[in-house]
Amino acid sequence: GENVEQHPSTLSVQEGDSAVIKCTYSDSASNYFPWYKQELGKGPQLIIDIRSNVGEKKDQRIAVTLNKTAKHFSLHITETQPEDSAVYFCAATTVTSGTYKYIFGTGTRLKVLA
Amino acid sequence: KAGVTQTPRYLIKTRGQQVTLSCSPISGHRSVSWYQQTPGQGLQFLFEYFSETQRNKGNFPGRFSGRQFSNSRSEMNVSTLELGDSALYLCASSTAGVPGANVLTFGAGSRLTVL
Repeated sequence: GENVEQHPSTLSVQEGDSAVIKCTYSDSASNYFPWYKQELGKGPQLIIDIRSNVGEKKDQRIAVTLNKTAKHFSLHITETQPEDSAVYFCAATTVTSGTYKYIFGTGTRLKVLA
Repeated sequence: KAGVTQTPRYLIKTRGQQVTLSCSPISGHRSVSWYQQTPGQGLQFLFEYFSETQRNKGNFPGRFSGRQFSNSRSEMNVSTLELGDSALYLCASSTAGVPGANVLTFGAGSRLTVL
């Protein structure tokens, strides 16, 4: 079935450094790729998303790149800050039986060390 | 604008019991999805409801069921609880406009512990 692989599972960076999280999806028909951030005790919250007709998207310190040929997409966080510490999930949407569903990666726990 | 509200936030049950979790979506959102979150497994899709109809279902046993009411509020039920059902259950709502391009807004989740 469809799946999304996410790496690494944990990532520690020094404050001010960059962090990169990578995801690979299996369904070539996937066309929407959101990233969610989950802080302790809260539900995931969308931080950035990209559609299949776009190769890159930026929002301040966060950027996402998409390589449809290789079926992988990445989250880039620059100038990391302690408040960036959280679990990050990537997702890919797949279309099944006329409707869609999200397939999530297994998450990356990011720790930003002050 | 109120967010997605899930109740209860925490609950403890014993094996064999059943549980019902509730989700109130953002006003105007007609799609409600449920996910199970466990350490190392990420978010596993349970099912999605739209206008009181189940549109999509994940690979969970029949012990997991749900429904949606006319006001878009949704409930999920797990019968004959097993230890492995211990997890954080997340509800997410969306406008469900263009298929495949909807932002999910998640609630804080209901943490179920099965003893």
